[in-house]
Amino acid sequence: NAGVTQTPKFQVLKTGQSMTLQCAQDMNHEYMSWYRQDPGMGLRLIHYSVGAGITDQGEVPNGYNVSRSTTEDFPLRLLSAAPSQTSVYFCASSYSRQGMAEAFFGQGTRLTVV
Amino acid sequence: GQQVMQIPQYQHVQEGEDFTTYCNSSTTLSNIQWYKQRPGGHPVFLIQLVKSGEVKKQKRLTFQFGEAKKNSSLHITATQTTDVGTYFCADPSGSGNTGKLIFGQGTTLQVKP
Repeated sequence: NAGVTQTPKFQVLKTGQSMTLQCAQDMNHEYMSWYRQDPGMGLRLIHYSVGAGITDQGEVPNGYNVSRSTTEDFPLRLLSAAPSQTSVYFCASSYSRQGMAEAFFGQGTRLTVV
Repeated sequence: GQQVMQIPQYQHVQEGEDFTTYCNSSTTLSNIQWYKQRPGGHPVFLIQLVKSGEVKKQKRLTFQFGEAKKNSSLHITATQTTDVGTYFCADPSGSGNTGKLIFGQGTTLQVKP
């Protein structure tokens, strides 16, 4: 199983450009989330989804859009990139079964905005 | 909003020494999870604690959940170089099943051989 696949692994953007970070999972998980990781700040939740067609905002949603048209895919769109969005982005998927909700993370996308 | 505070931010130990990281929440947690992230890698699930006062062991790792379910700790006995990485606690945000996690800031462990 591939698990959670993120593309691209690395990206450099110019300020004002837009782009989409792709995330796909093949585990038929209900829940998917996007996090950004910055030094000393842990992982912060950007957006999350509890199923196809349902998304909601996390702690730091500004400047990002998401959609979830299928169970498998949860792309994250940067509308107009800013240097403050330079970060490592992780996508995660999880299920809930008997109270357990282990999250599986992708390999990450390292984004630099210049 | 929900906050999970984790200390210390960094810890340098000599191989063979013990290591502990602590996690504190401003609210009562329904359960808590722990993850490990190796340098350059992605977070990997270690364990979930659910019950008040729960203690779980995984080889040299001991996880505890406080009686009041507001704090948790991870203790590593006799560290090895393979323990290097950042350890995160995470609150699965007990507002129902959503899959979202609120992470502590993490503790980065360096082990000198």
